[in-house]
Amino acid sequence: GQQVMQIPQYQHVQEGEDFTTYCNSSTTLSNIQWYKQRPGGHPVFLIQLVKSGEVKKQKRLTFQFGEAKKNSSLHITATQTTDVGTYFCAGLTNFGNQFYFGTGTSLTVIP
Amino acid sequence: KAGVTQTPRYLIKTRGQQVTLSCSPISGHRSVSWYQQTPGQGLQFLFEYFSETQRNKGNFPGRFSGRQFSNSRSEMNVSTLELGDSALYLCASSLGWTDSYEQYFGPGTRLTVT
Repeated sequence: GQQVMQIPQYQHVQEGEDFTTYCNSSTTLSNIQWYKQRPGGHPVFLIQLVKSGEVKKQKRLTFQFGEAKKNSSLHITATQTTDVGTYFCAGLTNFGNQFYFGTGTSLTVIP
Repeated sequence: KAGVTQTPRYLIKTRGQQVTLSCSPISGHRSVSWYQQTPGQGLQFLFEYFSETQRNKGNFPGRFSGRQFSNSRSEMNVSTLELGDSALYLCASSLGWTDSYEQYFGPGTRLTVT
């Protein structure tokens, strides 16, 4: 069945270091969304990518959608303690109407 | 604008019972989706409703059902509860079909089955 995997599952970084999480799908995606969930909170929408090779930036966050539309990445430059949380990707397949959430990457930032 | 609200926030039920969870979407949003979140399985899609019609359904047994009312409020029902149904149940609303619009999640209902 459809699977969206994320790596790494956990990441501990020193404050100021960079962080990247990768999202890989077994099938081609029509679009992908990224969400952040703080500890004890609920997922909050960050961004949606639709086009092959698309790159979008939000301040220190850079999102990429692969050329084959089967993978995506989220890169955070110079992490801060406010970046702590679990980052999920959610991919929509070409033939489905539901988003398949990735397994999530839990980010810990050490001050 | 008020966010997505879910009631109740916490619930403890016994195996074999049934439960109904409620979700009120953001005003003007017509789509409501339900997700189950567990530490082992992550976020799994249950179903999506749009204008009172179920648009899509995830891979869950028939014990899980839902409905949407004319005011877009949605309910989710789980019958014959099992221990494995213990989870955080999240609903999310969006302006239109979720494949085109961002989803706004509610705080969730934490269900514990004993």
